[in-house]
Amino acid sequence: GAGVSQTPSNKVTEKGKYVELRCDPISGHTALYWYRQSLGQGPEFLIYFQGTGAADDSGLPNDRFFAVRPEGSVSTLKIQRTERGDSAVYLCASGIANTEAFFGQGTRLTVV
Amino acid sequence: QQQVKQSPQSLIVQKGGISIINCAYENTAFDYFPWYQQFPGKGPALLIAIRPDVSEKKEGRFTISFNKSAKQFSLHIMDSQPGDSATYFCAASKNQGAQKLVFGQGTRLTINP
Repeated sequence: GAGVSQTPSNKVTEKGKYVELRCDPISGHTALYWYRQSLGQGPEFLIYFQGTGAADDSGLPNDRFFAVRPEGSVSTLKIQRTERGDSAVYLCASGIANTEAFFGQGTRLTVV
Repeated sequence: QQQVKQSPQSLIVQKGGISIINCAYENTAFDYFPWYQQFPGKGPALLIAIRPDVSEKKEGRFTISFNKSAKQFSLHIMDSQPGDSATYFCAASKNQGAQKLVFGQGTRLTINP
């Protein structure tokens, strides 16, 4: 596909469960970003990958959140022991180096 | 701490009019200022971006005006159309790149036909 692909598009989980959110960046993009968008708010930065390594993970809210990008392409955001406050749209973006960020449609996570 | 403040929160403009959305930032290290357009259920889409070496950038009907001394920048949409109705976000970041964007709160723009 031409754009950033995120799966699933919607995820409903019970409080305390573990979830994984997947991001397929645009082919050839070395930079990958995760953001979180709460209802009626602008996206908030979570983590930035350059290649396989996390260049900046200062936006991860706590140690329940973790992200990987083992081969420098697909990335997975992992959330342990989910809480109702984790409910939001999780956005992934990619870019060439760090020039621009092109966003996917997001995964809407609902914790019940 | 809200590093990028956006106004207004909502805006209604008649078709053919000019839509103006403003943003102010605090961190003088910011040097990349993009605007994103977001439709319901979609991710933000990059519209136009500016770096502080210029005071204005125009792409089609969209213009960014940038005032470095005032730490402000704005988006102007000329000849606004109903299809422009969306939420618009300004953002800012350091190192002239898109990593770690700090977004404004968003402006919900409605263009009346």
